[in-house]
Amino acid sequence: DAGVTQSPTHLIKTRGQQVTLRCSPKSGHDTVSWYQQALGQGPQFIFQYYEEEERQRGNFPDRFSGHQFPNYSSELNVNALLLGDSALYLCASSLAGTGNQPQHFGDGTRLSIL
Amino acid sequence: AQSVAQPEDQVNVAEGNPLTVKCTYSVSGNPYLFWYVQYPNRGLQFLLKYITGDNLVKGSYGFEAEFNKSQTSFHLKKPSALVSDSALYFCAVRDGPNTGFQKLVFGTGTRLLVSP
Repeated sequence: DAGVTQSPTHLIKTRGQQVTLRCSPKSGHDTVSWYQQALGQGPQFIFQYYEEEERQRGNFPDRFSGHQFPNYSSELNVNALLLGDSALYLCASSLAGTGNQPQHFGDGTRLSIL
Repeated sequence: AQSVAQPEDQVNVAEGNPLTVKCTYSVSGNPYLFWYVQYPNRGLQFLLKYITGDNLVKGSYGFEAEFNKSQTSFHLKKPSALVSDSALYFCAVRDGPNTGFQKLVFGTGTRLLVSP
């Protein structure tokens, strides 16, 4: 039973560039959430996708955008990268309608901005 | 808005001794609380949750948590710590209406260090 997979594992970009991170949810899950975990901090909710639409959004600027595909996989896009975007980006999946069940997390993509 | 607080940045305990990692919460309505663990260079692994029912919740790897409504706390416990329990522990609360979609608000994390 494949868990949540994320790619790439590491990424180095420079300020002003754009980046795309990818996530495949756990088998059987249809909802994908993205979190940003800065060094020494807890994860912060970016947004959530279900049925290819953004359902909830945290306090992140429009530079952060996403997409969900028909196979439930998802992408996180960040434009005009800033030094402060350096973080571990975590993808979590769940099954819609099961709000009391835990989200399953991938191992993350570590993004470094130079 | 819902929030959780983890008052300790680090907890040190000797192997074989009991451990407690503290979490307090602030919510409107009934709290839905979770504990996750993060090992180096890994994502978060679910340990246990409190939704309703018994105040003592049992989870993975011998961990348990005690929900205390009067003290608005949800402390993580284990009777006998292992060196392999050394990791970063996060308390989280579900935010938003019960629409079936889960958005988590995390604490700042507590680093547990178990010495041999």
